[in-house]
Amino acid sequence: QQQVKQSPQSLIVQKGGIPIINCAYENTAFDYFPWYQQFPGKGPALLIAIRPDVSEKKEGRFTISFNKSAKQFSLHIMDSQPGDSATYFCAASIDSWGKLQFGAGTQVVVTP
Amino acid sequence: GAVVSQHPSRVICKSGTSVKIECRSLDFQATTMFWYRQFPKQSLMLMATSNEGSKATYEQGVEKDKFLINHASLTLSTLTVTSAHPEDSSFYICSASNRATGGNTIYFGEGSWLTVV
Repeated sequence: QQQVKQSPQSLIVQKGGIPIINCAYENTAFDYFPWYQQFPGKGPALLIAIRPDVSEKKEGRFTISFNKSAKQFSLHIMDSQPGDSATYFCAASIDSWGKLQFGAGTQVVVTP
Repeated sequence: GAVVSQHPSRVICKSGTSVKIECRSLDFQATTMFWYRQFPKQSLMLMATSNEGSKATYEQGVEKDKFLINHASLTLSTLTVTSAHPEDSSFYICSASNRATGGNTIYFGEGSWLTVV
């Protein structure tokens, strides 16, 4: 069964908009939560990651918000650009070098 | 930065034959590598954890005799799909951690497309 639940399945935003992708987990042993970006035919690339002791982390236009009590975390893409159109996966693992459990993925389309 | 390389990037094989996919960590030692499988428009599903010098640990439902994993060195893991069938056609992706060299990040390869005809 999917240990990390991700939504929505897809979303479309206009350039400059802020796509928001949400993930939820059950296993409280998870302590590393990365987000990956994947373009068609390519392997996933790490975007940003967070640990449960932090509620928010920003790297460039990407922000993770983390709610430990709710066991939820989300990705915000600020000032989105057409080049951000890709599939985004959240993931979780018990440590930052261990096996990852991936969410189902969200296909994001940013229109010009 | 660290790079994980997969080869081949695309392979077509006949049904019933075996095909080997290589995963190399190019500038760090990887005591642990992971193999994932991804069908079109789906998520990555972990197949097995490959540990250097020991047997791989397979996820539930993955046939270890069909998907042979070897991790003979700190920079190379191989996945061999034996007696391949069309339903094995998929995108296979490896990842490696640089834990052995003091890092704390997982790096993914570019993936290998397998088509069984």
